[in-house]
This record gives sequence, structure tokens and C-alpha cells, in this order.
Amino acid sequence: SYVLTQPPSVSVAPGKTATITCGGNNSGSKSVHWYQQKPGQAPVLVVYYEIDRPSGIPDRFSGSNSGNTATLTISRVEDGDEADYYCQVWDSRYDLWVFGGGTKLTVL
Amino acid sequence: EVQLVESGGAVVQPGGSLRLSCAASGFTFDDYAMHWVRQAPGKGLEWVSLINWDGVTTFYADSVKGRFTISRDNNKNSLYLQMDSLRVEDTALYYCVKDMGTSGYGRAWDYWGQGDQVTVSS
Repeated sequence: SYVLTQPPSVSVAPGKTATITCGGNNSGSKSVHWYQQKPGQAPVLVVYYEIDRPSGIPDRFSGSNSGNTATLTISRVEDGDEADYYCQVWDSRYDLWVFGGGTKLTVL
Repeated sequence: EVQLVESGGAVVQPGGSLRLSCAASGFTFDDYAMHWVRQAPGKGLEWVSLINWDGVTTFYADSVKGRFTISRDNNKNSLYLQMDSLRVEDTALYYCVKDMGTSGYGRAWDYWGQGDQVTVSS
């Protein structure tokens, strides 16, 4: 089945930009969604269809998707952004949802 | 306010059965597909199953296919997961999740419950 590959961890200083990648075969042809999960909490949708944000999610969160890589970008990183981030796609070939392994974002 | 409240989680022996329920409120339940997602301790998210808005279409992860059954009762605004032949590796926090669409495939998921713990152990 379809595989999504994320780096296990990303570190960034406050105020800087964090980039979290999600690699998958021809991911640019799929709709990629991103979720944030803070410790002890349920996941929260932060970006969907690569570029849209639910209400309440700051515009510091943005996404892109091209070729074999989707990217979640968090600008002006804050301490409260420290969390695990997961990408997700629908695998239409096998009729199942796939998550990336997750990336732990650490704010230095 | 959208609320999803899971219940039914417990400690069960391998080979046993359990039925999870999810009570939904704050939205028109039968307008949306629903999902179950699980997370083993210290691990990532794993999609388990989806059901479309009217309950006709269901899909399952390979890891649970043939053992778990998803269902819904739109009159009761409730989602269910019947889990049979449970294995130690089914131990996880199980989340009830609302889809943004009716079919359950392609669109993102906008609301999650707080999860319910299922532990399979002898």
C-alpha cells in the first residue's frame, strides 16, 4: 500500500520557520492533510487539501504539495507549536487511509 | 459545539470481544462519514475503519479486516466499532473522528473525540 515518509524530528528556534516534509510516490497528485497532536491531546486538523486551514488555525501554518513531497510550513514558530505532526492521504488504489509516521517538532 | 464522546473501552483478554460506541452531537450526524482511528502507546496514528453517511459503504485497515465491524445508527447519532478476536497488538487509544464529507474518502477530518483506551492482555 501507499507509504508516507516523514522525518522523525525537526527542531527550530522560536520565531524561525519550521518545515516538515511528507514524502510519497507522486504525492503531488493526491490531497494531503496535516494534523497536529500535542501531548495527551487528540489530533487537530491544521491544513487540508495542502493549502486550506480550518477556522481558528493561524495563517502561520501553510502547506504545499508537488512531485513526491508535501510540506507543512510553520512560520514565526511559537512555543505552543511544539507537537507531533502527521500527514495523511487517501490511497484510492487500496481504499484505505494512510498516515505518515509523524514528526516531533521541538521548539528550542 | 461539536462533541464526540467515546465509550466502551476496557481491559480484555486475547481472543475476546469489545464494542466501542461514540455519541455525536453538535452537528447533523447523518450528513457526514465517520472514522475510527487508533494510537498505540508511544506510537503514531493508525486509521482503523470508515463508514459513509448512510452506513452503506465501509472500509477497513488490513490489520483489522475480518475482525472489526463499523456501524452507525443515525437515529441515535451514534457510531460503533465491534471488535472481535482481539489481539495484544490491538491495544491502543481509539478515537472517533468526523469526516468533512459524506463518503469518507478524500476529504479531511475536522473533529476528534478524546479517545477511549482498549487494552488486550492476559
